[in-house]
Amino acid sequence: KQEVTQIPAALSVPEGENLVLNCSFTDSAIYNLQWFRQDPGKGLTSLLLIQSSQREQTSGRLNASLDKSSGRSTLYIAASQPGDSATYLCAPDSWGKLQFGAGTQVVVTP
Amino acid sequence: DTGVSQNPRHKITKRGQNVTFRCDPISEHNRLYWYRQTLGQGPEFLTYFQNEAQLEKSRLLSDRFSAERPKGSFSTLEIQRTEQGDSAMYLCASSPRVRTSGSTYEQYFGPGTRLTVT
Repeated sequence: KQEVTQIPAALSVPEGENLVLNCSFTDSAIYNLQWFRQDPGKGLTSLLLIQSSQREQTSGRLNASLDKSSGRSTLYIAASQPGDSATYLCAPDSWGKLQFGAGTQVVVTP
Repeated sequence: DTGVSQNPRHKITKRGQNVTFRCDPISEHNRLYWYRQTLGQGPEFLTYFQNEAQLEKSRLLSDRFSAERPKGSFSTLEIQRTEQGDSAMYLCASSPRVRTSGSTYEQYFGPGTRLTVT
């Protein structure tokens, strides 16, 4: 059974700092890995998807890396802004089903 | 296309009552998924459909839960004889069908239905 761990559980940074969010998973037999953002009481917004054959994916200030063999993915957010405050979830895709970690709650202070 | 929609957004019910939620996926998305999320946790997979066929159900989906996707379009999730432990956010997602190469497409989530059982 896929187990997903996200570290740290919570993170508070001043505006402008770079964010590094870590995700580890136990089963490397994945199709892809998605990173999501969730605002309080809301649904999930997809940020990035990395296919299992890729090492990295970038979108604007976001960059995600994937090391499938070691079961790790990292999400980097450059030059953080207060609007980046949210919970970030990673989810490896095993046979079309996403398995989620508990998320990293991020607060960016002005 | 406005994305995945879910109705109702909030539902409060008394223990023992039946409830039904609806999900309308992005048009032409063959796959539809249901997840459940409790406070402070990530979503947990419940079940998924490819077109009208229900391909997998999690052990979390007890006999009181049933999901349908008639005609491969919208889907409904029904919970019978609700219990307080059913209180959660129920999330629906859709994606295009799996690539023939085995890699999969991005899943797009709806806003969720928050269920409170009193």
